[in-house]
Amino acid sequence: AQTVTQSQPEMSVQEAETVTLSCTYDTSESNYYLFWYKQPPSRQMILVIRQEAYKQQNATENRFSVNFQKAAKSFSLKISDSQLGDTAMYFCAFMKHEGDKVIFGPGTSLSVIP
Amino acid sequence: DTGVSQDPRHKITKRGQNVTFRCDPISEHNRLYWYRQTLGQGPEFLTYFQNEAQLEKSRLLSDRFSAERPKGSFSTLEIQRTEQGDSAMYLCASSLASGTDTQYFGPGTRLTVL
Repeated sequence: AQTVTQSQPEMSVQEAETVTLSCTYDTSESNYYLFWYKQPPSRQMILVIRQEAYKQQNATENRFSVNFQKAAKSFSLKISDSQLGDTAMYFCAFMKHEGDKVIFGPGTSLSVIP
Repeated sequence: DTGVSQDPRHKITKRGQNVTFRCDPISEHNRLYWYRQTLGQGPEFLTYFQNEAQLEKSRLLSDRFSAERPKGSFSTLEIQRTEQGDSAMYLCASSLASGTDTQYFGPGTRLTVL
């Protein structure tokens, strides 16, 4: 069975600084999908970034980028130029194939400090 | 707004009562998922529909839980004889079975069982 681990329950970062959230996962699949979702306080879950395992190039979305290390089964999220609106729970997630369920990690609570 | 919608947003009930939640997916999304999220945890998969067919159910979905998607559009999740352990956020997500297949989440229904 696939599992997703986030070893940092809470993190904080100064506004405008850079922060990296860690994620590791376990799977025997060779092709799969990885995601970072953001859940602001009392608001709904939104997709931050998505990575297909067969793509070697790391995904980027504006201030958000990932470091995908397939052999190490590591998928970290880097947030550059942190903004107050980045304060949220961040969930690393795994999907075996298209249409499958998403398996979420326990989350990292990120606070951006003014 | 063409996002995923859920109703009600909050439900308080007494132990032993039945409750029903509704999810309206993004128009033309043929896949629909239900997840449960307890406080401080990542969402856990409950069940999944493609069109009107229920394709997978988690072991978390006891026989007190039933989900339907009668016409392949909206879905309902019913919990019979609620227990205090059912208190959680129930999230619905939908996706299109082509393209990126990203799951888009609704705002959730928060259930409190007294």
